[in-house]
Amino acid sequence: GAVVSQHPSRVICKSGTSVKIECRSLDFQATTMFWYRQFPKKSLMLMATSNEGSKATYEQGVEKDKFLINHASLTLSTLTVTSAHPEDSSFYICSGTSGGSYEQYFGPGTRLTVT
Amino acid sequence: QQQVKQSPQSLIVQKGGISIINCAYENTAFDYFPWYQQFPGKGPALLIAIRPDVSEKKEGRFTISFNKSAKQFSLHIMDSQPGDSATYFCAARNTGKLIFGQGTTLQVKP
Repeated sequence: GAVVSQHPSRVICKSGTSVKIECRSLDFQATTMFWYRQFPKKSLMLMATSNEGSKATYEQGVEKDKFLINHASLTLSTLTVTSAHPEDSSFYICSGTSGGSYEQYFGPGTRLTVT
Repeated sequence: QQQVKQSPQSLIVQKGGISIINCAYENTAFDYFPWYQQFPGKGPALLIAIRPDVSEKKEGRFTISFNKSAKQFSLHIMDSQPGDSATYFCAARNTGKLIFGQGTTLQVKP
């Protein structure tokens, strides 16, 4: 299957600061990328969908000004958590899909801890 | 209507046994039904997937059974191994987005 990487794998930041998470498709062009959030022992919740070169579409209840998503190229999407608070601590996972493919390829996730 | 209901929440199976996880949905617009395996601290990995025009798909020890009329689908893991111990998620796709089930934690005892 296709490979998606995320960086960093773990990050700890102080409350009030911003943190950026990168998601890269290594061997395919991800025309669409998705960002998910997962709390411990819970399922994946879709936060937003982004198409290359377009503004992201956010799911209901997700603050677009807090979770900034950029999909500037076919291999890179970034999620910036602005003014992070302890409740933003979570496991963030991205995925990518190519063209009309049904399959989504997931990254390994980023563990964010806000102190 | 966008929900996917997964059961059981947890499952313990002896090595060599069959693990069965079930999912149900309501939205007939779903057009793709994948199963993912996730280990602690890792991202989900695609195991096997099926489209609604097929009733069964088998890949190695993993089989999806799909009942379109009942709006249910299930994952069968044959000859379960301790290495299969993980959390399994079913999902359903609509307009390109995946809706995930609640997850099943599988423990395979040696």
